[in-house]
Amino acid sequence: GDSVTQMEGPVTLSEEAFLTINCTYTATGYPSLFWYVQYPGEGLQLLLKATKADDKGSNKGFEATYRKETTSFHLEKGSVQVSDSAVYFCALSTGSSNTGKLIFGQGTTLQVKP
Amino acid sequence: EAQVTQNPRYLITVTGKKLTVTCSQNMNHEYMSWYRQDPGLGLRQIYYSMNVEVTDKGDVPEGYKVSRKEKRNFPLILESPSPNQTSLYFCASSLKWGYGYTFGSGTRLTVV
Repeated sequence: GDSVTQMEGPVTLSEEAFLTINCTYTATGYPSLFWYVQYPGEGLQLLLKATKADDKGSNKGFEATYRKETTSFHLEKGSVQVSDSAVYFCALSTGSSNTGKLIFGQGTTLQVKP
Repeated sequence: EAQVTQNPRYLITVTGKKLTVTCSQNMNHEYMSWYRQDPGLGLRQIYYSMNVEVTDKGDVPEGYKVSRKEKRNFPLILESPSPNQTSLYFCASSLKWGYGYTFGSGTRLTVV
């Protein structure tokens, strides 16, 4: 079945470091791909999305490119801040409209130190 | 403000006592869904709805019920809660399939 695999955390970086969180997926059809962020004690917020191959999603300095050939959607940011500390989830929307389901990766905890 | 509102935020209850977690969205979204989040298990879909009076089971529907009588509301009902339903629950809505969900702030449920 469809699935999402994220790199394990936690990831600890110093402020202004470069961030990459790896995400690969397995899916039939042509899924949409998403990154969500969860700050402590809060719900999930949509960070960015891409709906077809080679699309680049971007928001708040974060970017991810939908790579069909490598089935990947890695999250990157050039210079992280302490305020980026959170849990990041990669997700895909299954190739059928009949379930409305998002399939999530396990989440990667990012801690940014001053 | 466009949002998904869940109530209550925190709930402690006893085994077997029926409860309802309410969910409401003000964005006229078609899709609504319930997820539970558990350590080590990630987020799992409980039930979803594609429109009024159209609901179906997700991956972990046992012990839960839902209804969608109005487009904006999608309550989650636990008829006889058990300790294994202790979890963090999220309601979410989406305009259309593939658009991505807007999530509520979550309901932390403890069943003792």
